[in-house]
Amino acid sequence: DAGVIQSPRHEVTEMGQEVTLRCKPISGHNSLFWYRQTMMRGLELLIYFNNNVPIDDSGMPEDRFSAKMPNASFSTLKIQPSEPRDSAVYFCASSLTGGETQYFGPGTRLLVL
Amino acid sequence: GESVGLHLPTLSVQEGDNSIINCAYSNSASDYFIWYKQESGKGPQFIIDIRSNMDKRQGQRVTVLLNKTVKHLSLQIAATQPGDSAVYFCAGPSGSASKIIFGSGTRLSIRP
Repeated sequence: DAGVIQSPRHEVTEMGQEVTLRCKPISGHNSLFWYRQTMMRGLELLIYFNNNVPIDDSGMPEDRFSAKMPNASFSTLKIQPSEPRDSAVYFCASSLTGGETQYFGPGTRLLVL
Repeated sequence: GESVGLHLPTLSVQEGDNSIINCAYSNSASDYFIWYKQESGKGPQFIIDIRSNMDKRQGQRVTVLLNKTVKHLSLQIAATQPGDSAVYFCAGPSGSASKIIFGSGTRLSIRP
């Protein structure tokens, strides 16, 4: 099993540019989660999907952030326009039941200059 | 709201000794907890979980203890090895379906 796959692993961009992060969950998992991790705020849940439907996006910082899950094997997190304060590591995780053990991807390290 | 936290941000242990990492929570209705290990440059990795109907659960070199009276759980690592160096998070349900809350993490470092 390849585990959760995220791309890119690293992204450096300039303020104002659009950033798209991608995630492929573990096959068969029906819940997908997007997290952001920073030194100051730790690990924060941004949004999660159950059966491709967004269930809770209360953690999404603002309208510049959007997430989609067009099918069971793919999700994107988009930031437009990006700002320096968006610099963080973004993790995607998936789970079978949604409420219990989540399996994390390797993360995307984003730097917005 | 619900919270899950850790007592100490850092812990230094002599190689070969046992490590004990603590975590407190606020929601007495929480029915399970999970411990994750995050190594540098990687995502959090599941270590062990425990249900609220249990006081103790053991894995390979790890033991989790749950004290519901004081809303406290701990992760014990036996014979700590250099490969155990990481940040350890406890996590528990947030009260709403499917969401879990992560504690702030304890960074475990191993002295040779």
